[in-house]
This record gives sequence, C-alpha cells and structure tokens, in this order.
Amino acid sequence: DAGITQSPRYKITETGRQVTLMCHQTWSHSYMFWYRQDLGHGLRLIYYSAAADITDKGEVPDGYVVSRSKTENFPLTLESATRSQTSVYFCASRDDRPTQYFGPGTRLTVL
Amino acid sequence: SQQGEEDPQALSIQEGENATMNCSYKTSINNLQWYRQNSGRGLVHLILIRSNEREKHSGRLRVTLDTSKKSSSLLITASRAADTASYFCASRGPGAGSYQLTFGKGTKLSVIP
Repeated sequence: DAGITQSPRYKITETGRQVTLMCHQTWSHSYMFWYRQDLGHGLRLIYYSAAADITDKGEVPDGYVVSRSKTENFPLTLESATRSQTSVYFCASRDDRPTQYFGPGTRLTVL
Repeated sequence: SQQGEEDPQALSIQEGENATMNCSYKTSINNLQWYRQNSGRGLVHLILIRSNEREKHSGRLRVTLDTSKKSSSLLITASRAADTASYFCASRGPGAGSYQLTFGKGTKLSVIP
C-alpha cells in the first residue's frame, strides 16, 4: 500500500529554470492538492483538483502550473523558478470524506 | 489568509504532563480538523469534530469546539516524547469549495523526557 508519494524529495535548482514536482497516489482519490509550507505562513494552498482534467487555483497560484491527465498523478510545474519559491511542497489527496492524506513533501531550493 | 490561528506558537512540557493547544477561526465552519506533523514529514490527520459537536475523544486526544467563540482546543493527556511535533487546525467554511481546507500556522509541541 504505497499511498501517496512525491518525487523528488529534495531538489536544488537555479533561478529561471523549469522544475516539475511529481505527486502520485494509489487510492484513486478524486481530490488532490498542492500546498507550500513556509516559516511564518503555515500551509498555503497552491492548486487543487476535483478530478482528472479539473483543476483550480488556490491561495498562491502565481508562478505555478498544474495538470491532471490521470486520476493518480498531479504534477506541479514551476515554469521559471524564483528564489521566493524556495519552500517545502506537500501534495495531498482525499476521497469524499473530509480527511486529507499528505505525501512526505519535496524540499525545493532555488539558488 | 489563514482561517485558523493556533495558540501558543510553541509549547514545551515534561513527559507525562498534559498539553493544550488552541485554535481560533474567523468564519462559520462545517467541521474542524486537527493534524500532526513530525519534523521533516507530511501532515497526518488526528481527529475531526463537526460543527454540531462540542467534544470528541480519540485515545489520549480530546478536542472541544465552541462555535459561539469560533474556537477549538486540542488536549493531549499524559504526553510522551513521541508526541513532539507541530499541530495544526484546519477548517472549511460553508462558503468555501467543498473540498478545500485552510490551515493555521501551527503549535510546535516539545515533550521533554
């Protein structure tokens, strides 16, 4: 039972580069989410998805792009990374019940 | 903006003592959840309390909800070193999307052996 996984777990990149963070869940949950966690801000929602091919913006979507062609995958792309996008990124999923299940996180550093 | 705000931001107690964390929120809610995050890990769901409930128990956890004060508290009894973690409240208002949660900034709990 793999649950929800994220890759890579750690990533260092340079300003201006494109970076894609992967999220995969094995439960066939309909809903998936991307959050970023920063000191002093807690968790903030970037994008979310209610089903394959249905995505919507959260609180802090600027500079990010998502897609969801398959139910189990929800990649997050930073089209041109900036230093302000240095953060820990969490993917989560849920079914029809309110509880969200989180992945282990990706620590991203943008130099 | 953060729907929930935890208090205190940090709490240090001795093993065996009780730990109480508080959460305030701004808008009316359908339910409120508490999550735990161990250092370097993702969040793990602990307990959910619905807006028509006043108290809920799960093992050593006790959650209360006061909708008139827009506040909730999480009590961990007989704390253990393994309870060292950050604790977050999360809520969804009736006006928000049916599957969105807004998290507070968390309370960092340290349990000293």
